[in-house]
Amino acid sequence: SQQGEEDPQALSIQEGENATMNCSYKTSINNLQWYRQNSGRGLVHLILIRSNEREKHSGRLRVTLDTSKKSSSLLITASRAADTASYFCATAEDKLIFGAGTRLAVHP
Amino acid sequence: NAGVTQTPKFQVLKTGQSMTLQCAQDMNHNSMYWYRQDPGMGLRLIYYSASEGTTDKGEVPNGYNVSRLNKREFSLRLESAAPSQTSVYFCASTLLRQETQYFGPGTRLLVL
Repeated sequence: SQQGEEDPQALSIQEGENATMNCSYKTSINNLQWYRQNSGRGLVHLILIRSNEREKHSGRLRVTLDTSKKSSSLLITASRAADTASYFCATAEDKLIFGAGTRLAVHP
Repeated sequence: NAGVTQTPKFQVLKTGQSMTLQCAQDMNHNSMYWYRQDPGMGLRLIYYSASEGTTDKGEVPNGYNVSRLNKREFSLRLESAAPSQTSVYFCASTLLRQETQYFGPGTRLLVL
């Protein structure tokens, strides 16, 4: 069963716009991770936020975590065509459990 | 460092055939994982090995077996392939169980 559920399932934006993806989960977690997957490739880790952290930045990425609402968001600022990919959240309890992902398309 | 490597990249099997998917990591990681990914879906855990010498079932273990050959290598075996096992299989490893996972490039398997 999938713990994290991403929203929206698909997102289409223009280059330069910001992209926001959300992840909701059901149980207590140790940390929450975001991964990116380019078409036909393996997943690449983007950022890990621990349960006692509220916000984390990495380059153009900003992740927030609200443990009271059991939700997280990933913001990609000033998006580029190269950001086109699927983005997955994964929640860490005993093991990592992945959501179904958000498919992001960034158009030039 | 090669990271996580998987072989083969592609495989076509007939129903009932067997095969072994190989995975190796050169990062001295303790834990290794096998996932499957079906179209439009996230990853589902098949089996994992928290440390050398141990293996445990994940969410979808039926029809699969695994071997943690040593710290570097973790193989996945399909004893009698079924069309429902058509999928992309990913191997991953991590130093500590709940931390960042590093993924291989995947094996695309088609069972006819």
